[in-house]
Amino acid sequence: GENVEQHPSTLSVQEGDSAVIKCTYSDSASNYFPWYKQELGKRPQLIIDIRSNVGEKKDQRIAVTLNKTAKHFSLHITETQPEDSAVYFCAAYSNSGYALNFGKGTSLLVTP
Amino acid sequence: DTAVSQTPKYLVTQMGNDKSIKCEQNLGHDTMYWYKQDSKKFLKIMFSYNNKELIINETVPNRFSPKSPDKAHLNLHINSLELGDSAVYFCASSQVWRGDSPLHFGNGTRLTVT
Repeated sequence: GENVEQHPSTLSVQEGDSAVIKCTYSDSASNYFPWYKQELGKRPQLIIDIRSNVGEKKDQRIAVTLNKTAKHFSLHITETQPEDSAVYFCAAYSNSGYALNFGKGTSLLVTP
Repeated sequence: DTAVSQTPKYLVTQMGNDKSIKCEQNLGHDTMYWYKQDSKKFLKIMFSYNNKELIINETVPNRFSPKSPDKAHLNLHINSLELGDSAVYFCASSQVWRGDSPLHFGNGTRLTVT
């Protein structure tokens, strides 16, 4: 299946700072890259996604960039707030296209 | 209305028992999944079903048997439960299985095997 590597595993920032989480994938045929946020005790929820025909997508304070040549994509959160504290997962579809494979997650802590 | 609903929310049982988790989606999606999230938060695909047909079985022990009576339901039956089965199990669905649609997750079932 698709191998998705995610870094860092933990990230601590001060409120107002930016946070960046990076992922790499192995299958060059992958063309859809979602990011999920999971708060403690809750389900993963989609926060932003990007398809391979664009290099960047932005939604208010969050943005995702994609470099298909290098096979990596990143999540950028600006002006972080304490409620951004959660575990964030990147994902890419397996080379069969039948299931999303997730990175191991980044635990983000935003301190006031 | 909850889009993907699974029951029960919590399940505590002893080793060796058999248990089931139910999942239903009202999104009209064709594809449903079971994921296992272990204590380290790693989300791992277990099964993928498209239109009631099994598509993926990711090296899951055959003690786990999914059943899809129709495309809106995907249940998970587990035989002879082991301590290592303790985890949160998430059901999810997606519109199609062509590799470019997001997953919608249920709220999870926390299984504890004692």
